[in-house]
Amino acid sequence: SQQGEEDPQALSIQEGENATMNCSYKTSINNLQWYRQNSGRGLVHLILIRSNEREKHSGRLRVTLDTSKKSSSLLITASRAADTASYFCAQGDSGTYKYIFGTGTRLKVLA
Amino acid sequence: KAGVTQTPRYLIKTRGQQVTLSCSPISGHRSVSWYQQTPGQGLQFLFEYFSETQRNKGNFPGRFSGRQFSNSRSEMNVSTLELGDSALYLCASSYESGGGDEKLFFGSGTQLSVL
Repeated sequence: SQQGEEDPQALSIQEGENATMNCSYKTSINNLQWYRQNSGRGLVHLILIRSNEREKHSGRLRVTLDTSKKSSSLLITASRAADTASYFCAQGDSGTYKYIFGTGTRLKVLA
Repeated sequence: KAGVTQTPRYLIKTRGQQVTLSCSPISGHRSVSWYQQTPGQGLQFLFEYFSETQRNKGNFPGRFSGRQFSNSRSEMNVSTLELGDSALYLCASSYESGGGDEKLFFGSGTQLSVL
């Protein structure tokens, strides 16, 4: 399977703490994207990082990419209860018109 | 700008029946993708359409089919339903690519339960 893997599978932290989740993928990429999914709903795009970038920021989000290790990490700083959701990485493949999603990390932020 | 609309939101069917799910993409988006999400398998790619043409299909049996209309709206159909088809079916649209460097916009999904 080409599906990426994320760890941890689940993460529980206190409000105000930072949350880090990691994604490993198997094939070469053009870009890697991160999405958030609130329970039972659709996914929302968070950030895209291209293969020639090493780090990207968006508000409280920081994404890093290490193509040599085929891995990426998403850091959410100063977490809030509203950040409680599942987070997925996704690798895009323009040649096949599909995205391969990771297994997801369930984040719970306790107030 | 209206988001991606999926109908119905919930469906309950019995084994052997067939079902049709509908997706209206964001206005101007021509690529529509479908994904199946289950707790055990995560998000699995079903198919992608662009300008009424299927450009790719995932590893699903022929019971799963889809189409796209000239207004970019898309439908997917599952025939002869099995218990294992119970899942959240997600539709996503993008301007062109469906798998390149565009972000996907997802609908809220259709939760299908097969009894």
